[in-house]
Amino acid sequence: GENVEQHPSTLSVQEGDSAVIKCTYSDSASNYFPWYKQELGKRPQLIIDIRSNVGEKKDQRIAVTLNKTAKHFSLHITETQPEDSAVYFCAASRGPGTASKLTFGTGTRLQVTL
Amino acid sequence: DTEVTQTPKHLVMGMTNKKSLKCEQHMGHRAMYWYKQKAKKPPELMFVYSYEKLSINESVPSRFSPECPNSSLLNLHLHALQPEDSALYLCASSQYTLGSVEQYFGPGTRLTVT
Repeated sequence: GENVEQHPSTLSVQEGDSAVIKCTYSDSASNYFPWYKQELGKRPQLIIDIRSNVGEKKDQRIAVTLNKTAKHFSLHITETQPEDSAVYFCAASRGPGTASKLTFGTGTRLQVTL
Repeated sequence: DTEVTQTPKHLVMGMTNKKSLKCEQHMGHRAMYWYKQKAKKPPELMFVYSYEKLSINESVPSRFSPECPNSSLLNLHLHALQPEDSALYLCASSQYTLGSVEQYFGPGTRLTVT
């Protein structure tokens, strides 16, 4: 089955700096890669995703890059703000076409300090 | 309506009790999921329903019994649970169509087994 590794497990940055979280996956058939943000006591929230036919996707301060050859993808957050503090999970799946089975990374706890 | 709702928010039950968790979505999604999340861990898939039929059971113990009465509702029946089953139980849904596999999570039910 799919295995997703995520690094680092914790990340502390100063407000305004950039944060980068990296994930690697094992299943070459995976073609959908979402990122979820989970604040303490709240639901995982989909913040950005990328499909295998795209190398990069950006949404305001958030961007995701995908290298299918190396089987890794990364989340980039620029100009970090205190409200970016949360746990971030990457995931991979073989969707679409079947009920999507997400395999999650182990999570990165991001802390943005003032 | 772009939200997945779950009830109850919190549940405390004894090991001999029978209780049910409820999940509802009105986005017309045809795939629904149950996940279990322990503290500081990623969500762990339990069950997947596609078009109201159980399509994936991740070898979950029989003390957890899922049910999908219709395309908008998903239940998880609990019986004879163990203290180690205490966790946040998340429901999610996704569109069962090609090209769209985003999963949207509900707020979860925090279950404590005493």
